[in-house]
Amino acid sequence: AQTVTQSQPEMSVQEAETVTLSCTYDTSESNYYLFWYKQPPSRQMILVIRQEAYKQQNATENRFSVNFQKAAKSFSLKISDSQLGDTAMYFCALYNFGNEKLTFGTGTRLTIIP
Amino acid sequence: DGGITQSPKYLFRKEGQNVTLSCEQNLNHDAMYWYRQDPGQGLRLIYYSQIVNDFQKGDIAEGYSVSREKKESFPLTVTSAQKNPTAFYLCASSAMGTGSEKLFFGSGTQLSVL
Repeated sequence: AQTVTQSQPEMSVQEAETVTLSCTYDTSESNYYLFWYKQPPSRQMILVIRQEAYKQQNATENRFSVNFQKAAKSFSLKISDSQLGDTAMYFCALYNFGNEKLTFGTGTRLTIIP
Repeated sequence: DGGITQSPKYLFRKEGQNVTLSCEQNLNHDAMYWYRQDPGQGLRLIYYSQIVNDFQKGDIAEGYSVSREKKESFPLTVTSAQKNPTAFYLCASSAMGTGSEKLFFGSGTQLSVL
């Protein structure tokens, strides 16, 4: 079985500050991918960032970066210089090549305060 | 513009009624997926299809049915056997259906029971 845990149901931060969203996962597989998806108030899911487990280098996409700690099975998302448009639900997800299963966490609701 | 179109945006179901949610994509993707989203929970996979005329059950397929007669279309029927259908339904697609790829999502359908 594989699990994805997001222990922060809600977070808020002032505009222009940096915020980190936590995600931990559990899997017995060694070959997997990790994702962060964003769901704004429009409710359309959008891929924010992807990390291959075999890569040691943390993925970055503009203001978004991850801290991937494979041994600790931790995959946090850092948003720098936060903007009002970052207000959304953020979902962490894990894909295992072994069982071909994609599992989502329960999400973190992030609010950027003007 | 390429993308995924879901319709209707809102749908109401009466007791004992079957309803069909539409999902169309013009991305030329092979794989299509249906997810269910409930408050406080992550996305759960209902059905997926990696090729025309073939589909597989996901984690919560009971009470649902699908068809994949065309590459562009993957409609989901919520049958009367689904006793708790109220949820937000998201359709997604990916290029090859390997699971490690980026998922492209539609804007969703909110289904409620009258």
